[in-house]
Amino acid sequence: QSVLTQPPSVSGAPGQRVTISCTGSSSNIGAGYDVHWYQQLPGTAPKLLIYGNTNRPSGVPDRFSGSKSGTSASLAVTGLQAEDEADYYCQSYDSSLSRVFGTGTKVTVL
Amino acid sequence: EVQLLESGGGLVQPGESLRLSCAASGFTFSSFAMSWVRQPPGKGLEWVSVINVSGGSTYYADSVKGRFTISRDNSKRTLYLQVNSLRAEDTAVYYCAKVAPEMTTWGYFDYWGQGTLVTVSS
Repeated sequence: QSVLTQPPSVSGAPGQRVTISCTGSSSNIGAGYDVHWYQQLPGTAPKLLIYGNTNRPSGVPDRFSGSKSGTSASLAVTGLQAEDEADYYCQSYDSSLSRVFGTGTKVTVL
Repeated sequence: EVQLLESGGGLVQPGESLRLSCAASGFTFSSFAMSWVRQPPGKGLEWVSVINVSGGSTYYADSVKGRFTISRDNSKRTLYLQVNSLRAEDTAVYYCAKVAPEMTTWGYFDYWGQGTLVTVSS
């Protein structure tokens, strides 16, 4: 069972902004551990999207941004595009369970 | 270009064993920790295990502790996962992942392989 909770799904029209929350606790995000985000396109392996809460790897569009506050983190996608339709996972460290992933969020472009 | 290529998956019966391999190229393998992450069909990601650069430190998820063993051969640039006493709930795609930044087991997974499917069924 995951200790990081995400909404099962979010949706938006092309060009809109959507956000995905990742809610943890005092033993993981709230303890100061970094949050990372991954995008998994249908039928493919996950891909690193955001690392260290707010940093984008080379090649990731600046439409994707991350933030962290307290026991939660968020991923924002602005200017939503059809190719952004995918599953998104947050990941952090938990003092009791070691590395942990979020429950995952499916983004649908309407 | 970083490449990670898993192999060794297949269909096995409950209680049997497998050894998964991950061949790495395109980076200095001996300078990075490596990890295994799995994904049951239609479900989310679950971290399984991580190994440090020398192979001297290993960590496991509680769900696999005592049954799975992670190891690496830096001379062959290959990561392994020995999976024993397999259960139906171990059925998943197993991904190997490179850990960044260099020399730490605490980081993020910056490159992933394409995965190898392990199916446990009688």
